[in-house]
Amino acid sequence: NAGVTQTPKFRVLKTGQSMTLLCAQDMNHEYMYWYRQDPGMGLRLIHYSVGEGTTAKGEVPDGYNVSRLKKQNFLLGLESAAPSQTSVYFCASTDLSGGGQPQHFGDGTRLSIL
Amino acid sequence: AQSVTQLDSQVPVFEEAPVELRCNYSSSVSVYLFWYVQYPNQGLQLLLKYLSGSTLVKGINGFEAEFNKSQTSFHLRKPSVHISDTAEYFCAVSFDRGSTLGRLYFGRGTQLTVWP
Repeated sequence: NAGVTQTPKFRVLKTGQSMTLLCAQDMNHEYMYWYRQDPGMGLRLIHYSVGEGTTAKGEVPDGYNVSRLKKQNFLLGLESAAPSQTSVYFCASTDLSGGGQPQHFGDGTRLSIL
Repeated sequence: AQSVTQLDSQVPVFEEAPVELRCNYSSSVSVYLFWYVQYPNQGLQLLLKYLSGSTLVKGINGFEAEFNKSQTSFHLRKPSVHISDTAEYFCAVSFDRGSTLGRLYFGRGTQLTVWP
């Protein structure tokens, strides 16, 4: 059972570089989410998707873009990385068919921007 | 507006002692409530959830939580903790209607440290 898989697990970037984080889920979930986790801040929602081809902004979307071209994949892009984007990024997915379904999380991507 | 408040950022306890991690929420509509646990360098794992029905919910690893609608609280408890329970615990809320359907709103987390 793979569940939610995030790649890469670790990455170090220089300020101004770009990169894409990949999230893949094999549970046929409609809803997918990207969060960032910073010490003492809990998890904050960056962007989310309610289905293939749709995306929406969360609490902290600035500096990030996303795409959901396939149902199983949700990509998070940093066009021009900044030190303030140093964080741990988590992807999650859920199936809302029954209401109140929990989200399933990946193991995270630890990103450092120098 | 919806919000989740975890009242303690750190809770140190000795092994085999009882523990309570506090969570309060604010909402004008019905909610679903969750507790997640995060072990070091791992993702979040569901501990338990409240959807409806009995207000006392039992989860994995001997944890339980009680939903109190009048006090808008969902406190997590364990009668006797183990060193392996050392982790960060997150309370979260979601809603069953509206444009925010499916979104989870998290508290800032409580670091539980169990000492021998």
